[in-house]
Amino acid sequence: EAQVTQNPRYLITVTGKKLTVTCSQNMNHEYMSWYRQDPGLGLRQIYYSMNVEVTDKGDVPEGYKVSRKEKRNFPLILESPSPNQTSLYFCASNRGLPNTEAFFGQGTRLTVV
Amino acid sequence: SQQGEEDPQALSIQEGENATMNCSYKTSINNLQWYRQNSGRGLVHLILIRSNEREKHSGRLRVTLDTSKKSSSLLITASRAADTASYFCATDAIGNTPLVFGKGTRLSVIA
Repeated sequence: EAQVTQNPRYLITVTGKKLTVTCSQNMNHEYMSWYRQDPGLGLRQIYYSMNVEVTDKGDVPEGYKVSRKEKRNFPLILESPSPNQTSLYFCASNRGLPNTEAFFGQGTRLTVV
Repeated sequence: SQQGEEDPQALSIQEGENATMNCSYKTSINNLQWYRQNSGRGLVHLILIRSNEREKHSGRLRVTLDTSKKSSSLLITASRAADTASYFCATDAIGNTPLVFGKGTRLSVIA
């Protein structure tokens, strides 16, 4: 089954404790991206990757890092999480160009206390 | 950055009625897409309409695009309780830029 898999689905952590949210897709898609979703603000793009070893900032990249060492994986790294990064996070992949149909993971609800 | 704006923010209708949601955007686009999100879950792609298309259908969904007004509408006919969800439009810009999502319309269909 074609899918985008995120882990974990839920995470509660403390300020400053580094964490990684994993994202994997099995569709051989080149383009992957991370979004955060907050009430009243909609979805905002954090980072995106056009292909392996090619990443770029989205609209809200501060406090986040990503890497794309393999085509299928695109982890999101929070080196020193803060409470304002409490949010619902989504990973997505697109077959080719970034404006094609996006496939979303099920989301990771992160709480930073 | 460019962003689609959905209207209304929330919509409540009876089962069997039609639901219409609108999206306006600011700059020229290659295409416009509509997505659905059930509460707290990942978005699911519904339909994509290209800038040279005016109308597209998929099952009970009908999407229109008016590039002169920079607006799109999503019509769900004969709504069902299972259609209860948030609906988002997403736009790109000329040059194959990443998708930008609006804030969504929350649709409630009451049985």
